[in-house]
Amino acid sequence: GQNIDQPTEMTATEGAIVQINCTYQTSGFNGLFWYQQHAGEAPTFLSYNVLDGLEEKGRFSSFLSRSKGYSYLLLKELQMKDSASYLCAVREENSGAGSYQLTFGKGTKLSVIP
Amino acid sequence: EADIYQTPRYLVIGTGKKITLECSQTMGHDKMYWYQQDPGMELHLIHYSYGVNSTEKGDLSSESTVSRIRTEHFPLTLESARPSHTSQYLCASSEYHSPEAFFGQGTRLTVV
Repeated sequence: GQNIDQPTEMTATEGAIVQINCTYQTSGFNGLFWYQQHAGEAPTFLSYNVLDGLEEKGRFSSFLSRSKGYSYLLLKELQMKDSASYLCAVREENSGAGSYQLTFGKGTKLSVIP
Repeated sequence: EADIYQTPRYLVIGTGKKITLECSQTMGHDKMYWYQQDPGMELHLIHYSYGVNSTEKGDLSSESTVSRIRTEHFPLTLESARPSHTSQYLCASSEYHSPEAFFGQGTRLTVV
């Protein structure tokens, strides 16, 4: 089983930088994902970390520390369209089954204000 | 652009009815998933499949059933709908060794 924690809501100003944290507890860790979900829409994939360190993709970066069970998503040069929920998800290997399961956190609702 | 489709987008049905939510993907993905999401809440995995004739239950108990007779098709069935089944159902698929899952637009189900 897993326990994934992330803040419920955050507010940031257009043009600023915001960091959304995610902590998790799991056995059989096999990767951490960030998804973006606009209200009423399907989640879309943002990033994937399986090794410690920072992955950068344009204005978005994601960091992972496996020893600390910690990740963050960094959004730079915020735009109004970045207002959405950001979902942290952990993939866990099912013990002995050779299969994987992806579990989502509750999501962080980010509001970008002018 | 992801090619995964869910129908219907919205459905309102009466208690006790049998319904099937359709999900199809044209990407040849082996892995497919069904998630349930209440408004403002997290996604809960209810079913998944790693290929034809493979189906497993997820971490959230569900009264629904699924089948995977063809790679591209992963329907979810409720034999007797109840108001507690009111929710959004999201289907997703991924390549076997890829970390990226593609989601459909979802089916918003209301049982009255």
